Formats: sequence, structure tokens, C-alpha cells
Amino acid sequence: SQTIHQWPATLVQPVGSPLSLECTVEGTSNPNLYWYRQAAGRGLQLLFYSVGIGQISSEVPQNLSASRPQDRQFILSSKKLLLSDSGFYLCASRDLNTEAFFGQGTRLTVV
Amino acid sequence: QKEVEQNSGPLSVPEGAIASLNCTYSDRVSQSFFWYRQYSGKSPELIMSIYSNGDKEDGRFTAQLNKASQYVSLLIRDSQPSDSATYLCAVGRGNYQLIWGAGTKLIIKP
Repeated sequence: SQTIHQWPATLVQPVGSPLSLECTVEGTSNPNLYWYRQAAGRGLQLLFYSVGIGQISSEVPQNLSASRPQDRQFILSSKKLLLSDSGFYLCASRDLNTEAFFGQGTRLTVV
Repeated sequence: QKEVEQNSGPLSVPEGAIASLNCTYSDRVSQSFFWYRQYSGKSPELIMSIYSNGDKEDGRFTAQLNKASQYVSLLIRDSQPSDSATYLCAVGRGNYQLIWGAGTKLIIKP
């Protein structure tokens, strides 16, 4: 099975500061990669997905961007954080038509 | 209509009883179906996957799929307090799409 490394586990950032969350995957090659955000008590909101290096699709317009510089590396970024960017961010990896594996998540609080 | 629907709960079940969680989906071309458990503040973890009609059992867990009715369920036998969590239903479609329900909160009462 796959192992997803996601860090940091918690992050407190001021409004207007930049953001970079990194996710790396072990145990597979050429997976589909996903960034989700989850508000407290809510379901998973898909932010970005990637089917290959350099290929990024955005599901919702927002203050965030994503990049996939290597096959098993997925990065979520922002140039200037907003209060509304607070939430629980999850990276996931999935091979074709199989289950998704999740990282530990990053709890981001924008203050 | 949401693509994947779950009762938000909370669903309260006595310890030792059977917990039944339900999920309906709207797209008939969906190919794969998953149940995840998520504890508060943690990431989702896979409980069961099911791809064809019928039942699939793994320990205390049974997943049931009925593609004609577009319905997938999860039964938890001999419910334990440690089963208290939010259960997420996910439906796979095409090469990359994974559509998520909003989750059902399950509470097992000792």
C-alpha cells in the first residue's frame, strides 16, 4: 500500500503571509494526487487534483494554487493567506480505480 | 441533488448492536465504492472497498452494493465505543474522480 507524507501537522500563519504545504508519496508511481480542505464538522472539499507531472486541475476558484514538480510530490501554495483559508488540509494519492490513501493532514489556522 | 448522499446523523447505536450506514449515489456509471472512517481531527482511513453487486465481509464490517438501486451500505456488527467516528462514503468514477458524501456521525453508547 501507499504511504503519504504530509507536513506540518499544524500551522498558524498571519493573514497575508505565504503558504507552502508539501506532500510526498511512497509505494506507487504515477498516482493521481489530490488536495482537499475540510471545515470543522463538514465533508471533504476537493481543491486540486493532478493526473501527472505538471498537470493540475482546479475544482474551485480560490486563493490557492498547486504544483506537481515530481511524480510523487504535490505542493499546495498561497501567496497571501486569507482568514477563510483556515481549515484541515489533506493530501491524498490514488491509483486508477482503487482506494485513496491520505496523509496525516495539516491543521491551518490563519490569524 | 447531491452526487453522493449520506444521512448526516448523528446515528446513536447501543454497544454490541448492529450499526447500519447508508449511502446513495446519482451516477450510474460509478465503478468503485469505498467506506472510510474518520476520527475527529484525524485523516480518513479506509474501512472497506466494494466493486461488484452483493455483500463483502471483513471482520465485523460488511459492505453491501446494489447498483440497480444506486445504493451502498456499511454494517458494523457488535458495535464498540471505538467505532464512534464519522463514516464517509466515496464513489469512484472514471480514471480519477472520487466523489465524497458529507459523512455520517456514528455514536456507540456504552
